[in-house]
Amino acid sequence: SQTIHQWPATLVQPVGSPLSLECTVEGTSNPNLYWYRQAAGRGLQLLFYSVGIGQISSEVPQNLSASRPQDRQFILSSKKLLLSDSGFYLCAWSRNAPREGYTFGSGTRLTVV
Amino acid sequence: ILNVEQSPQSLHVQEGDSTNFTCSFPSSNFYALHWYRWETAKSPEALFVMTLNGDEKKKGRISATLNTKEGYSYLYIKGSQPEDSATYLCAFDGGTASKLTFGTGTRLQVTL
Repeated sequence: SQTIHQWPATLVQPVGSPLSLECTVEGTSNPNLYWYRQAAGRGLQLLFYSVGIGQISSEVPQNLSASRPQDRQFILSSKKLLLSDSGFYLCAWSRNAPREGYTFGSGTRLTVV
Repeated sequence: ILNVEQSPQSLHVQEGDSTNFTCSFPSSNFYALHWYRWETAKSPEALFVMTLNGDEKKKGRISATLNTKEGYSYLYIKGSQPEDSATYLCAFDGGTASKLTFGTGTRLQVTL
């Protein structure tokens, strides 16, 4: 069966520090991978998605970046965090097209102080 | 920018009450509409994927209907229980990209 792992679960980082959140999927190959963020009082906002190794699509301009160094690994990064980067980050995967819906990771609560 | 809206934003009902909430989405370029339940401290969990106009799906006490021509879906919960307390998210799939556009969710709280 397929599983998705996301870590860390919580993170408190100072403004200006770097960020690396990791997501891995097991039990499937060539998944579509997604990073979403929920900021306080707002819905889930798509940040990045990837349909294959090295293929990253960015949905919103920001100081975050994403990489997919391996088929089942998706990394969200920042060189210098801003206060506005605080939020709840969710990784998700789907099969080749999202008609079957997403399976989400357990999320990371990021607080930038 | 796709506009996917959910109402109400939050809802507080008593155990045993039946309730419903709405998701509205673009009626053009429709491919599928997804419903998720998101409990606090857990991952969002898929409830339904709906693709056909007039579709009705059911899972226990929860059901959903779909109207693609007018761009809305209703989620119904019959005889609410405290364990139904969660945020219910709908997500629009326009079929043109490998991504879903989520609504802001309806937060349901069921008390004894």
